Amino acid sequence: EVQLLESGGGLVQPGESLRLSCAASGFTFSSYAMSWVRQAPGKGLEWVSGVSRSGGGTYYADSVKGRFTISRDTSKNTLYLQMYSLRAEDTALYYCARWEDGSRNYFAYWGQGTLVTVSS
Amino acid sequence: EIVLTQSPGTLSLSPGERATLSCRASQSVSSSYLAWYQQKPGQAPRLLIYGASSRATGIPDRFSGSGSGTDFTLTISRLEPEDFAVYYCQQYVNSPPIFTFGPGTKVDIK
Repeated sequence: EVQLLESGGGLVQPGESLRLSCAASGFTFSSYAMSWVRQAPGKGLEWVSGVSRSGGGTYYADSVKGRFTISRDTSKNTLYLQMYSLRAEDTALYYCARWEDGSRNYFAYWGQGTLVTVSS
Repeated sequence: EIVLTQSPGTLSLSPGERATLSCRASQSVSSSYLAWYQQKPGQAPRLLIYGASSRATGIPDRFSGSGSGTDFTLTISRLEPEDFAVYYCQQYVNSPPIFTFGPGTKVDIK
């Protein structure tokens, strides 16, 4: 069974940093691209970032480019999102999702999310 | 940048009725890269449809997707009580890879 378990969320002040983790199990982690998708309270879904199977390709939404860094550790089956210079508008539930890349490109599996709150 | 618009914002229907949800793109989208998700309160999104018309594993056949170009539709043939939720469409473009979600359509009980 595919499982994605996010952690690392919390309350931080504007300008601070935070690192999210997503522990993957139930599939061959190195065979799949991965992504982060967020959802602000009461709002819709927003794609944040994606990383290729090898980790060599990283992609970002304009809203986080230059402030967030996505990475993966195949030895630990873990996806990360390092967030710097956090802003109030980054407040959201952050989901880790398995990116079915190739001919279709969609998210077949999602974690339950970790909440990031940026507030003074 | 491709913008997705979903209509209506809210759809009020009764169980057993047919639901037709629209997703319109600001420019042509490859059908291969159009997906639909369902989200219930307090839950993560769930993939329903990918490639515009292919049902994901375990999705009942009352859910169907269609469309091409800029206009896509998710149809729920007969609403079951568990189908009342928010539905999002999603598209993908390559070079560089970017995903975009629509704002969602809420299907609630009339």
